[in-house]
Amino acid sequence: EDQVTQSPEALRLQEGESSSLNCSYTVSGLRGLFWYRQDPGKGPEFLFTLYSAGEEKEKERLKATLTKKESFLHITAPKPEDSATYLCAVQTSNYQLIWGAGTKLIIKP
Amino acid sequence: NAGVTQTPKFRILKIGQSMTLQCTQDMNHNYMYWYRQDPGMGLKLIYYSVGAGITDKGEVPNGYNVSRSTTEDFPLRLELAAPSQTSVYFCASSYSTGGGNQPQHFGDGTRLSIL
Repeated sequence: EDQVTQSPEALRLQEGESSSLNCSYTVSGLRGLFWYRQDPGKGPEFLFTLYSAGEEKEKERLKATLTKKESFLHITAPKPEDSATYLCAVQTSNYQLIWGAGTKLIIKP
Repeated sequence: NAGVTQTPKFRILKIGQSMTLQCTQDMNHNYMYWYRQDPGMGLKLIYYSVGAGITDKGEVPNGYNVSRSTTEDFPLRLELAAPSQTSVYFCASSYSTGGGNQPQHFGDGTRLSIL
């Protein structure tokens, strides 16, 4: 069964304390892996797409990486405005999109 | 630039009532989607459409119906509302050429409670 698991469920960091969020997947063929950010009361906002193992993408304090079984979202020196829920989703070989439950990130000033 | 617009933002229904959740997009995207988001779970696909006049079931279609008469609009109909349909509903759209890797753009959701 296709499955996407995100860990941890919640993460509390001090401002400036770097860390990583994990998205592990077992799917029938990977066409792409997406990272989204979701603020309270809002819809998910697209961050990155990764297509193949070894690929990396960066945006400000965020860097996403991909291996054959998981993806990491690295957050370097986070600020309070980085607080949000981060979602990952995997597109399978039959174009189905499987979503993880998300990691709630809280950055304390 | 409006993107994907959903109405209403909040609604409370009684068991057995019906309603339509509205979704419109101004990006000329051919694909549109309806999801529900429940606490602690990933987004679940209810229905999707690859273009005007074409719709198909997703993972959790029971109790819902959709139509797509124009490129811009993709309403979701709830018939005979049940407490299990209490959720946050998101509409999304994307431009897909068949490669299937274009990111989806989301509205801000409709928070629906069935009492």
